[in-house]
Amino acid sequence: KAGVTQTPRYLIKTRGQQVTLSCSPISGHRSVSWYQQTPGQGLQFLFEYFSETQRNKGNFPGRFSGRQFSNSRSEMNVSTLELGDSALYLCASSVDTATEAFFGQGTRLTVV
Amino acid sequence: AQTVTQSQPEMSVQEAETVTLSCTYDTSESDYYLFWYKQPPSRQMILVIRQEAYKQQNATENRFSVNFQKAAKSFSLKISDSQLGDAAMYFCAYRSLQGGSEKLVFGKGTKLTVNP
Repeated sequence: KAGVTQTPRYLIKTRGQQVTLSCSPISGHRSVSWYQQTPGQGLQFLFEYFSETQRNKGNFPGRFSGRQFSNSRSEMNVSTLELGDSALYLCASSVDTATEAFFGQGTRLTVV
Repeated sequence: AQTVTQSQPEMSVQEAETVTLSCTYDTSESDYYLFWYKQPPSRQMILVIRQEAYKQQNATENRFSVNFQKAAKSFSLKISDSQLGDAAMYFCAYRSLQGGSEKLVFGKGTKLTVNP
């Protein structure tokens, strides 16, 4: 069974640009969550999608957005990139709230 | 809002010895899940062990066990017979059972070094 797949693995963008990250959950998983990991702030929850609906949202500016498609694949978008957006972005999927979350290997975003 | 605190930024242990990682949390809820995740240099977060708050019995997974003290809001991880492959960042995480959300609240992590 394939795990959670995040693409791309690495990304370098310039300040002011926008970026889209992709997450393909494990087959059959309907819930996808996104986290930002930085050395200073640690792991912070961005948002969660379930059956194409945003179910929960963390405390991030509106530049961060996401969506989920009918096949449960999810994308997150960051517009007007800032240097502080440099981070590891992790995606996790699960069947439902009663089960564990499985994580992808993350996308390392560097903003220069 | 729930918070998770890991007071040990770094820990080290000799191979084959036992080490305990600490975690405390703050919540007003009575039902929730607690997790320990491991993040090796490959960056992939791997679930080590989980505990349902309504269960009094401490969870055990092979060499990994927890000491769950609900009243004290403490959730420590014990690693027995430590192996070189156990070296990683360890994160304690909390998940509420209210609202049907999958959101995890993480501690800052503990970096575990295993010395041969």
